Amino acid sequence: QQQVKQSPQSLIVQKGGISIINCAYENTAFDYFPWYQQFPGKGPALLIAIRPDVSEKKEGRFTISFNKSAKQFSLHIMDSQPGDSATYFCAASVGSGTYKYIFGTGTRLKVLA
Amino acid sequence: KAGVTQTPRYLIKTRGQQVTLSCSPISGHRSVSWYQQTPGQGLQFLFEYFSETQRNKGNFPGRFSGRQFSNSRSEMNVSTLELGDSALYLCASSPLAGRTDTQYFGPGTRLTVL
Repeated sequence: QQQVKQSPQSLIVQKGGISIINCAYENTAFDYFPWYQQFPGKGPALLIAIRPDVSEKKEGRFTISFNKSAKQFSLHIMDSQPGDSATYFCAASVGSGTYKYIFGTGTRLKVLA
Repeated sequence: KAGVTQTPRYLIKTRGQQVTLSCSPISGHRSVSWYQQTPGQGLQFLFEYFSETQRNKGNFPGRFSGRQFSNSRSEMNVSTLELGDSALYLCASSPLAGRTDTQYFGPGTRLTVL
């Protein structure tokens, strides 16, 4: 019940295309859903996050869609660029408390020029 | 403002040895959290320190321990290393305790256990 399942494991998208990464959770107590971006040799960086009181949050080319009834949330990267090539992690927690933070296994995104 | 720094960046040890990793948080940040990142398990929370006190701990054996100094710098120690301890160890700092939304990660220490 504590798992966050992330798919796909890897993704190849053409420049200008839409990248979609999905996550599913089971614990209905989760109420904070962030996405992290990690470049090779770097630590993860918080990209965007959503709480379950909204169904969508957009920041620039990045959008989180949240479906509370299905217990799923997804990251959409519009107009994907080669510079977006990185590993993306979803996560879930109760509040934003560290000790209950569960991460997905990551999606390696490659955007072709 | 300088980011989170971790030393060393790479480390090779043999089974049975112990290792100490260091993390210097962003200036003014008093919370330091440690994570283990492996291809199979992904990112897993180890523990969080705030004002020299361990606030939270993940599900790792007692071989993994840490401490925080008065200047907020933190060290993580792993004793009796096992092959499965090979991983990227990340630390993250935050100005607030228990707040991942204000957390910044360092580049990590890549530990290889032979």
